[in-house]
Amino acid sequence: SQQGEEDPQALSIQEGENATMNCSYKTSINNLQWYRQNSGRGLVHLILIRSNEREKHSGRLRVTLDTSKKSSSLLITASRAADTASYFCATDGAVMGAQKLVFGQGTRLTINP
Amino acid sequence: SQTIHQWPATLVQPVGSPLSLECTVEGTSNPNLYWYRQAAGRGLQLLFYSVGIGQISSEVPQNLSASRPQDRQFILSSKKLLLSDSGFYLCAWNMGLGNQPQHFGDGTRLSIL
Repeated sequence: SQQGEEDPQALSIQEGENATMNCSYKTSINNLQWYRQNSGRGLVHLILIRSNEREKHSGRLRVTLDTSKKSSSLLITASRAADTASYFCATDGAVMGAQKLVFGQGTRLTINP
Repeated sequence: SQTIHQWPATLVQPVGSPLSLECTVEGTSNPNLYWYRQAAGRGLQLLFYSVGIGQISSEVPQNLSASRPQDRQFILSSKKLLLSDSGFYLCAWNMGLGNQPQHFGDGTRLSIL
């Protein structure tokens, strides 16, 4: 079953604009992760945010986590054409051992030059 | 550095034929290994995971099985493929230390005719 729900399902913006994607989930988590997938390729890990963290940055990426609302957001600033991809959030409820990641449906981001 | 290899990249098989997809990881020892399936335009669904040689956990009942004959080798199999087995299959690994991202292969596009 899909725990994560992502919003919007698709987003099209102009190069240089900021892109914000949201993720909601249903059960308690140990961490939440964001991944990028270029068409027909595997997933690339972007950011992992732990349940006791509220915000995390990596380059042009900013992730927030609100465990009281069971939601997260991914902000990409100053978007580039190369950012065009699908973005997925995934929740992890395991403290140790194997992760049983539960993925959202993804947001398809298109950056127009 | 660690790398993950999946093959083949694409596969077209008739209904009722057997299947064997292979995934290997290099540059690490005792990784957790995962098999996912992704339907078109959807998120990933965890099929199997393994925390060690010969240790396989199945997440969903299905026509597929998995094996881990060596520490860094993970195989997805079927004795008789169904039309519903079509999809994009992804292998991933991580270390079982808690709060670790997963690293994905480039996937196998499986089409059943």
